Amino acid sequence: AQTVTQSQPEMSVQEAETVTLSCTYDTSESDYYLFWYKQPPSRQMILVIRQEAYKQQNATENRFSVNFQKAAKSFSLKISDSQLGDAAMYFCASLSNTGNQFYFGTGTSLTVIP
Amino acid sequence: DTGVSQDPRHKITKRGQNVTFRCDPISEHNRLYWYRQTLGQGPEFLTYFQNEAQLEKSRLLSDRFSAERPKGSFSTLEIQRTEQGDSAMYLCASSLMGAKKLFFGSGTQLSVL
Repeated sequence: AQTVTQSQPEMSVQEAETVTLSCTYDTSESDYYLFWYKQPPSRQMILVIRQEAYKQQNATENRFSVNFQKAAKSFSLKISDSQLGDAAMYFCASLSNTGNQFYFGTGTSLTVIP
Repeated sequence: DTGVSQDPRHKITKRGQNVTFRCDPISEHNRLYWYRQTLGQGPEFLTYFQNEAQLEKSRLLSDRFSAERPKGSFSTLEIQRTEQGDSAMYLCASSLMGAKKLFFGSGTQLSVL
């Protein structure tokens, strides 16, 4: 089984500033995927970014980037130039390459202050 | 591509009643997942289908819960004899086998009074 831990229940950031959300995970698998999903008030989970564990290069998607530290089992999300629309719950998740279950953390609620 | 749709968005029921939720996945997706999310928690896996076959079930899925995907397209999740502890949001997601990413619907919020 895999576990995902998000130790920051709430975070806030000023509009246009940068914020980093933390995530740690535990897995015995050697090949796996890590994800950040965003859940706005509309409730629909939206994929923000995905990292394949065998790739050393950190994934980036526009203003979103990750810091993937495989040895430390850490997977943080950096949001640059924060916008009001970034306000949401953010969930970290993992998936083993051979498995079918996605394991989610408990989420971080991000507030963007105008 | 209209995305994953779930119906209803909200359901209020009395304890002991049966409820059924529907999920329509993205049309070409052969995998369909059900998750449950309670307040302050992340989604928890309930079950998943590959085409019409239910391949995996969580121990969270008690015998009061049943899920079907009769023709490998839409799916239903039924809860019999609902209990207050069943109050949660039920999320459906779909994917292509091997794609390693999930596309979620907006969920069905169940309240059991």
